[in-house]
Amino acid sequence: DAKTTQPPSMDCAEGRAANLPCNHSTISGNEYVYWYRQIHSQGPQYIIHGLKNNETNEMASLIITEDRKSSTLILPHATLRDTAVYYCIVIRRTSYDKVIFGPGTSLSVIP
Amino acid sequence: DTGVSQDPRHKITKRGQNVTFRCDPISEHNRLYWYRQTLGQGPEFLTYFQNEAQLEKSRLLSDRFSAERPKGSFSTLEIQRTEQGDSAMYLCASNSFLEGYGYTFGSGTRLTVV
Repeated sequence: DAKTTQPPSMDCAEGRAANLPCNHSTISGNEYVYWYRQIHSQGPQYIIHGLKNNETNEMASLIITEDRKSSTLILPHATLRDTAVYYCIVIRRTSYDKVIFGPGTSLSVIP
Repeated sequence: DTGVSQDPRHKITKRGQNVTFRCDPISEHNRLYWYRQTLGQGPEFLTYFQNEAQLEKSRLLSDRFSAERPKGSFSTLEIQRTEQGDSAMYLCASNSFLEGYGYTFGSGTRLTVV
């Protein structure tokens, strides 16, 4: 089973920030939080990952709570092209664990 | 490097026929994974290889499914005697110990069994 839970769907107005939550209450100390997104009919695409510090790259920001039991992916200025399914997963980078995906969050960016 | 490549992108086959898909991972990645995805669901793990060794198979991988990675480079996934329930997107991913971005996925092969 997936080790994360996410809301099944969310809407966001174009140009506004999209905040996608993820719960991972059973995360272990050596597990990283990764976010991927999947646009219709394509393979999942890497967005960002983090261990315990907040992270930012050109695509998004990742906020991880101090207890690491939840995180939020922030798309600062959502565009129509950000409409996709977003997956939050946990991975132990010290091993080659297979990735278990949940159903993700379907984000719809509305004009 | 152009990333993970999968061929074909689309395949339509009649029930009972055999199909084979190919995945070319990123060249320096020694781990290769196959996933299956049906509409509205997240990808489901099928199997993975480290170099040429198949290390784990999901119970989803019935006897009709076989995967190979003969030289530790490209991989093939074969489905024998296809059934309508095999219709799905088949995704391939690769990674290496030094890769900081988790997994790199291909664009997938969409199989339709009619």
